[in-house]
Amino acid sequence: DVKVTQSSRYLVKRTGEKVFLECVQDMDHENMFWYRQDPGLGLRLIYFSYDVKMKEKGDIPEGYSVSREKKERFSLILESASTNQTSMYLCASSVLRSEYATEAFFGQGTRLTVV
Amino acid sequence: GDSVTQMEGPVTLSEEAFLTINCTYTATGYPSLFWYVQYPGEGLQLLLKATKADDKGSNKGFEATYRKETTSFHLEKGSVQVSDSAVYFCALSDPNYGGSQGNLIFGKGTKLSVKP
Repeated sequence: DVKVTQSSRYLVKRTGEKVFLECVQDMDHENMFWYRQDPGLGLRLIYFSYDVKMKEKGDIPEGYSVSREKKERFSLILESASTNQTSMYLCASSVLRSEYATEAFFGQGTRLTVV
Repeated sequence: GDSVTQMEGPVTLSEEAFLTINCTYTATGYPSLFWYVQYPGEGLQLLLKATKADDKGSNKGFEATYRKETTSFHLEKGSVQVSDSAVYFCALSDPNYGGSQGNLIFGKGTKLSVKP
């Protein structure tokens, strides 16, 4: 079974802190993604990466950065946490195919509260 | 750009009722289509998928058919159970859309509650 593991299920951080959310996948997938999920807004893409050291902005990258130093690990960084970044964060990975899109596999989510 | 629209919830049904959750999409390319399910407090799990027109995805009694002519991928189940209570997301992924490399674009989700 594909496993995508996020380092924390729940986090509470203070405004202004630098926050790291870690994600590891064990299936050698090229693609990795970070989404945030908010009630009424669904899932929105923050950043994605299709190779080591590669990153692309998604729909809502402001206030976030990412790091992909190894193929299996994709980190989301909140440079200076703010209360409007309180949310559920979901990491996902997928195989890269050119002829059709494959399904993504999700981690269990990290519920981040910024106080 | 690509987008997904699904029926808003919440949807409340009695056990053994028939379920339909509508999903339509807009895509510039030829996407793959997915239904994901999210149980309370958990991440998303793939429920079923279809990669080309007229494909039918099925799993756990759920079905959806990729209809290119109506740009739809409606989710159906003939007899729901209490354990089906969850949030359901329709999604598409187009590997040829703007260098997206297979990003998933989601609908906003439909919450289903099944009463005994």
